[in-house]
Amino acid sequence: LARTTQPISMDSYEGQEVNITCSHNNIATNDYITWYQQFPSQGPRFIIQGYKTKVTNEVASLFIPADRKSSTLSLPRVSLSDTAVYYCLVGPTSGTYKYIFGTGTRLKVLA
Amino acid sequence: EPEVTQTPSHQVTQMGQEVILRCVPISNHLYFYWYRQILGQKVEFLVSFYNNEISEKSEIFDDQFSVERPDGSNFTLKIRSTKLEDSAMYFCASSEIGLAGGQTDTQYFGPGTRLTVL
Repeated sequence: LARTTQPISMDSYEGQEVNITCSHNNIATNDYITWYQQFPSQGPRFIIQGYKTKVTNEVASLFIPADRKSSTLSLPRVSLSDTAVYYCLVGPTSGTYKYIFGTGTRLKVLA
Repeated sequence: EPEVTQTPSHQVTQMGQEVILRCVPISNHLYFYWYRQILGQKVEFLVSFYNNEISEKSEIFDDQFSVERPDGSNFTLKIRSTKLEDSAMYFCASSEIGLAGGQTDTQYFGPGTRLTVL
């Protein structure tokens, strides 16, 4: 399974755009990139998923360069409620059904 | 929006007791998972389940653990004889088509059950 590397923590201020970059150098051809958000004592919540180029939904954008060895989650105009841990996951690979969570990026949004 | 539900939200038990954690996956989903998260640590995969059998399990999922889909809606995780180190948040997840080569899918997680073993 492809390993991911993310910054351990980030601070931002309300109203700013936050970009969290994830490195996944050994991503496989069939792997997709998925981002989850987790608040304390809650289950991970799906944010966005993509394979290549750019994906946008109502809460975030995901930028994936042509080589797919990294990806960037972009959160526009964050608020205090966006304070959470953000996980970058890559998968699947053939025959496996599990997500491997890393330590994620702890985002703290300040007033 | 459909969601995964879990009961109870908090379970306290004595060491050595059996516990059953319950989950109701999203209704049209076919793949089910249990993960756990010890306080302050990573989310860890325990087991995946499809077509009434285990698809994959981690080394954490030893003989003390079992899963079952007793009816068309529930998915349960049983711990036969709890240990102190089983204290954690347990998350159930479900997906529509599972993760397999050439396909993609999204796992939707429940709110979790906090298990405290005394």
